[in-house]
Amino acid sequence: KQEVTQIPAALSVPEGENLVLNCSFTDSAIYNLQWFRQDPGKGLTSLLLIQSSQREQTSGRLNASLDKSSGRSTLYIAASQPGDSATYLCAVFISGTYKYIFGTGTRLKVLA
Amino acid sequence: GAVVSQHPSWVICKSGTSVKIECRSLDFQATTMFWYRQFPKQSLMLMATSNEGSKATYEQGVEKDKFLINHASLTLSTLTVTSAHPEDSSFYICSAIGAGGPSYNEQFFGPGTRLTVL
Repeated sequence: KQEVTQIPAALSVPEGENLVLNCSFTDSAIYNLQWFRQDPGKGLTSLLLIQSSQREQTSGRLNASLDKSSGRSTLYIAASQPGDSATYLCAVFISGTYKYIFGTGTRLKVLA
Repeated sequence: GAVVSQHPSWVICKSGTSVKIECRSLDFQATTMFWYRQFPKQSLMLMATSNEGSKATYEQGVEKDKFLINHASLTLSTLTVTSAHPEDSSFYICSAIGAGGPSYNEQFFGPGTRLTVL
């Protein structure tokens, strides 16, 4: 059974810091891995999608890497801003199924 | 990216009533749609997977008679919470993928529907 864990569960940092959020999954048989942002009471905003054949994806200040063999992905946020404050979720699409399993989430707070 | 809408965005109902939530893919045909539930400060939990024209597949622990899912067209799936009770209060989110399946497509998520049962 696929389990997706995110560390840390919560993070509070001063503005300007570079951050690393971690996502680990137990079964490497995945189609892709996706990182999302969720603001309180809101839906999901897709940040980055990494296909299983890819190693990383970049968008602006965000960079996500994928190491399928070790079951890990990291989301790197450069020069954090208060507007980055949100919950970040990773999700893996399990191969051979139509199931998307979400991680436990990391609540990020960037202090001005 | 593709757009998925949900209606209503929030609903308040009395205990014992039924509530229908719509999920629409606006600019693509969604062969498969998914329904998730999210309780406060928790992650999303997959409830069921629906394919157009066929019965939904429910995850373990999800009552199919309570959460009725209909995927009658390639752009619309509905979730009906029957005889709702306060414990059904939650944030319900749908997603959709296009033809070709998960190996070729990402899931696109709707904005969610907040259900409050009094």
